[in-house]
Amino acid sequence: GAVVSQHPSWVICKSGTSVKIECRSLDFQATTMFWYRQFPKQSLMLMATSNEGSKATYEQGVEKDKFLINHASLTLSTLTVTSAHPEDSSFYICSARENTEAFFGQGTRLTVV
Amino acid sequence: DAKTTQPTSMDCAEGRAANLPCNHSTISGNEYVYWYRQIHSQGPQYIIHGLKNNETNEMASLIITEDRKSSTLILPHATLRDTAVYYCIVRVASIGSARQLTFGSGTQLTVLP
Repeated sequence: GAVVSQHPSWVICKSGTSVKIECRSLDFQATTMFWYRQFPKQSLMLMATSNEGSKATYEQGVEKDKFLINHASLTLSTLTVTSAHPEDSSFYICSARENTEAFFGQGTRLTVV
Repeated sequence: DAKTTQPTSMDCAEGRAANLPCNHSTISGNEYVYWYRQIHSQGPQYIIHGLKNNETNEMASLIITEDRKSSTLILPHATLRDTAVYYCIVRVASIGSARQLTFGSGTQLTVLP
């Protein structure tokens, strides 16, 4: 199947700093990518839909100024967590669709201390 | 997308078949049944999907009832590495659709040695 690569796999940052997470589709082009967040023992929750060449669409309750999404090419979307706080600590996962199937990145474990 | 109901958890002995049920009584005629799994601290992995016929691939088999209101994912010879949360998702499988996957709580499958 298609491969979606996410980087970094884990990151620890200080409170107040910003962290960028990259999501790449390695062998296909993805006009649309999705960003999910998963807290411990919970299911994946969609945060936003990333559209190549246009603004991202955010789910209700997700602050667009805090979670900046850039989808500058057909193979790369980035999520920047700005002014991170401990409550932003979570597992962030990106997804891209090829035809009728969705493929997921490995996830990024963010810990804000 | 139609709502799905899965058991919270299941155990299976290593080497035996794991049968994971899913109820989707409100499924529409153009909705497919998808199965994904998520191993701890990893992104979800696509397993299989089907419309109404039974499907089989190198990972698993999918049995869909004739009325399509329920399905069963079968892992024929479960190994310890199959321990994961398994998600049953029902959705329209239109090529190029930008719609995201909606995850429920899934079934935690634990394969016991």
